[in-house]
Order: sequence, then structure tokens, then C-alpha cells
Amino acid sequence: KNQVEQSPQSLIILEGKNCTLQCNYTVSPFSNLRWYKQDTGRGPVSLTIMTFSENTKSNGRYTATLDADTKQSSLHITASQLSDSASYICVVRGTGGYNKLIFGAGTRLAVHP
Amino acid sequence: GAGVSQSPRYKVAKRGQDVALRCDPISGHVSLFWYQQALGQGPEFLTYFQNEAQLDKSGLPSDRFFAERPEGSVSTLKIQRTQQEDSAVYLCASSLGSKGTSGNEQFFGPGTRLTVL
Repeated sequence: KNQVEQSPQSLIILEGKNCTLQCNYTVSPFSNLRWYKQDTGRGPVSLTIMTFSENTKSNGRYTATLDADTKQSSLHITASQLSDSASYICVVRGTGGYNKLIFGAGTRLAVHP
Repeated sequence: GAGVSQSPRYKVAKRGQDVALRCDPISGHVSLFWYQQALGQGPEFLTYFQNEAQLDKSGLPSDRFFAERPEGSVSTLKIQRTQQEDSAVYLCASSLGSKGTSGNEQFFGPGTRLTVL
């Protein structure tokens, strides 16, 4: 079973609309959680990072939330733009050792005009 | 350049060929990671270097996969006797420090798309 699960697998929305992407994880103990944006043919780029003590973090039109008790996170995108079309990947890091990351499969978002 | 670079960007190999994929991390970054990303999936960890030392290779799928970073900067991922199931995007990432603090972000390269025919 995947330690980081994301939903939906894919999503189509119209430009200007809002959307929310979900991430459930079982990684324990937990150090931090990041949301990455991956454009087609590019490497992932970090959008937000939250530790277990943070429950919300914003980066422009992107707002991430974290509930460490239920091991759930969400990424909310406001007023979507065509350039938001990408895969959004939830990534969890456990504690100890080096910076080993566990990736979800991603949600593929398509924003249509 | 300022970011992580990888070469080649695309590689087509016949089954059974050996391939070598190169990663140039951000200058001064201690940690270097290799990931394999299958189509429609998230990246999966392959191996980790701290400077020239390969501290974790638990993600390498078989002994046909080999990685090195002899001088603690550029790294090469080599795949011997390629198989069709090796077809994927291979991502390299580097980070500044050796410890996973919350601010120790991994910066990713654009990846090498390997297609094995």
C-alpha cells in the first residue's frame, strides 16, 4: 500500500475556478510535508512545506493545509490560470537520517479556457 | 547554470544496451538523489549520495543499476543490459546540506526520459 495517496487522480476545471487536491499519508513518524508542482517534461518544483506543527501555508494562489492527527493534507488553488495545468505531487519526509522523501502519484490538473 | 542539469534529456536504447545518465547538481550542494518516475506516477527513490559517499542504494531495482559520484559533484547513473521495464524518467535532485531539516529543500533537474525498445 502506498504510504502517500492522492486524490483525485486527475481533474479538469475551467480557468478562474478554484479547486482542492487531497493527500492522505501513513508515513510515521513524520517530519514535514511538501506540495510540488511538476510541469510536463520538467522536474518537480516545491510550492509549500509544512512541519507537523503547522496547519496552513500559503504561496500566492496556493494554500496548503495539514492535519497531522488525521494524516491528511490538501492543496487549494484559487482563481486558476491556464499555467496551473500540471501534476501536483504530495511528498512526505519521515524523521531521522537524511532527507529521504516519499512521493504520492500526483494529481494531474488541466485548466481549460 | 543556477539549477540542476541532466543529460541527455532523451535517450532511446535497444534492449540489452548499456546507458549512462549524467547529473550536474547545484554547485556546493552536498546531497544528491536519483529517482525513477514511471509514466503517471510520482518519483521513486533510487539512491542517495552525501558528497562522494553513496549512503543509501536501497531503491536500485537490480544489480544492473549502478550510480557513482566520484568527486562529490557530478553523478552518473548507469544501467547495464537495459530492459523495457527500465523505460521511465530518471530525475536527479540535490540539496545543500546533509541533514533533512525542514528547510533543506531538494532541487530537481528536468530529468532524462529513457525509452528502451
